[in-house]
Amino acid sequence: AQSVAQPEDQVNVAEGNPLTVKCTYSVSGNPYLFWYVQYPNRGLQFLLKYITGDNLVKGSYGFEAEFNKSQTSFHLKKPSALVSDSALYFCATNGAYNTDKLIFGTGTRLQVFP
Amino acid sequence: DTAVSQTPKYLVTQMGNDKSIKCEQNLGHDTMYWYKQDSKKFLKIMFSYNNKELIINETVPNRFSPKSPDKAHLNLHINSLELGDSAVYFCASSLHGGYTFGSGTRLTVV
Repeated sequence: AQSVAQPEDQVNVAEGNPLTVKCTYSVSGNPYLFWYVQYPNRGLQFLLKYITGDNLVKGSYGFEAEFNKSQTSFHLKKPSALVSDSALYFCATNGAYNTDKLIFGTGTRLQVFP
Repeated sequence: DTAVSQTPKYLVTQMGNDKSIKCEQNLGHDTMYWYKQDSKKFLKIMFSYNNKELIINETVPNRFSPKSPDKAHLNLHINSLELGDSAVYFCASSLHGGYTFGSGTRLTVV
């Protein structure tokens, strides 16, 4: 079965420091991978996606993610965290070859301290 | 213009009642979805429709009945509401691998 895993329930980082939110995937074939962010009492906002091509994907709000096929990972990164980045982050896949449904990880809560 | 809009935003109702949540998208997408986010924030797909046709039904109780009158609308009707149905329900639409989510409907069953 296709899935994504987010091994950390919470990530804490000081403002101005780099942040990484981890995601690994289990997808047969070439995966489509996504990151979404959910602010408190809000919907899901798209950050970035990987379909093919350059392994480093740049997205909204200064976030980027690196696709690593050998490690089956798609970690979300930002060089300098902001307090306003504090939110719930979801990794997701719709499998290989753009199948219909998005399968989400369990989410990682990012807390950025001033 | 809101791309994917859901109504109502909040819904509080008693056990046993029947309620509906509406969703509309103005993106011209072919596929629409309902997702459920439980109290632990887990997100799971419930249904997907492509051009008004049911594509995915992820072992959801048959008390839940989606209806798609046209490809821009996907409504969710829930019969005989139970306490365990309390959750946030997200509507979404997609086209060519791009997914857009609504802001969610927080359903509380008391």
